[in-house]
Amino acid sequence: DAGVTQSPTHLIKTRGQQVTLRCSPKSGHDTVSWYQQALGQGPQFIFQYYEEEERQRGNFPDRFSGHQFPNYSSELNVNALLLGDSALYLCASSSVTGAYEQYFGPGTRLTVT
Amino acid sequence: ELKVEQNPLFLSMQEGKNYTIYCNYSTTSDRLYWYRQDPGKSLESLFVLLSNGAVKQEGRLMASLDTKARLSTLHITAAVHDLSATYFCALTTGTASKLTFGTGTRLQVTL
Repeated sequence: DAGVTQSPTHLIKTRGQQVTLRCSPKSGHDTVSWYQQALGQGPQFIFQYYEEEERQRGNFPDRFSGHQFPNYSSELNVNALLLGDSALYLCASSSVTGAYEQYFGPGTRLTVT
Repeated sequence: ELKVEQNPLFLSMQEGKNYTIYCNYSTTSDRLYWYRQDPGKSLESLFVLLSNGAVKQEGRLMASLDTKARLSTLHITAAVHDLSATYFCALTTGTASKLTFGTGTRLQVTL
C-alpha cells in the first residue's frame, strides 16, 4: 500500500516565478491538507481540500492556491514567489473513516533565490 | 485561536538518562498528536491521544494527556542516540481537522 507521495522532491525557483507542487494521497483517503514548514519551525497549515473544494484555509495570502482532482490527488500553486516562500512543503492525507488522522508525505523542498 | 507551546526548545540528553518534554495548549482540543522529524525529513506519527488521562507507550517513549491542565508530556526513558530528532506536538480542535503544531523540541543524545 503506497503511502502519501509528493513531487518533485526538490526544486529551485527565482523570485517572481510560479511553482506547482503535487501530492497523491494514501490509498483510501479523500482529504488532502498542505503545510509549510520553514527552517527551524513547526509546520503551518495552508489549506485543506475535500471533494475537490477548499474546506479550510490558514493565514496564507491568495498567492497560495490549490486544487483537488477527482482521484483525490492535489496540487499546491504558489504565484509571485518570494524569498520567504523557501520552505519544506508537506502534504498530508486523511479520511473521515480514519477519524481524520493525517499521514504525511516526504515533502517538497522549495528554494527561492 | 489555538496556541501550542513546547518546552524545552532544545534538550541535550545523556545516554541512559530520563527526560520529559512538555506541550501546553490554550483551548480545548479533540486530539493531541506527537510526531518525530529527522533532519530534512517528513513527520513520523508517534502517538494519538484522545481523552483525559490517556497514556500511550512505544519503546522508550511514553506520552500522556491531561486535558484539564491542557498539558501533554512525552517522557523518554534511558535515552539512546537513535532518539535524536525534533519532536512536535500538534492538536486538532472542534470540527476542524487542521493540525496546529507546537514549536518543536530538538533532542540531542550524547554519550
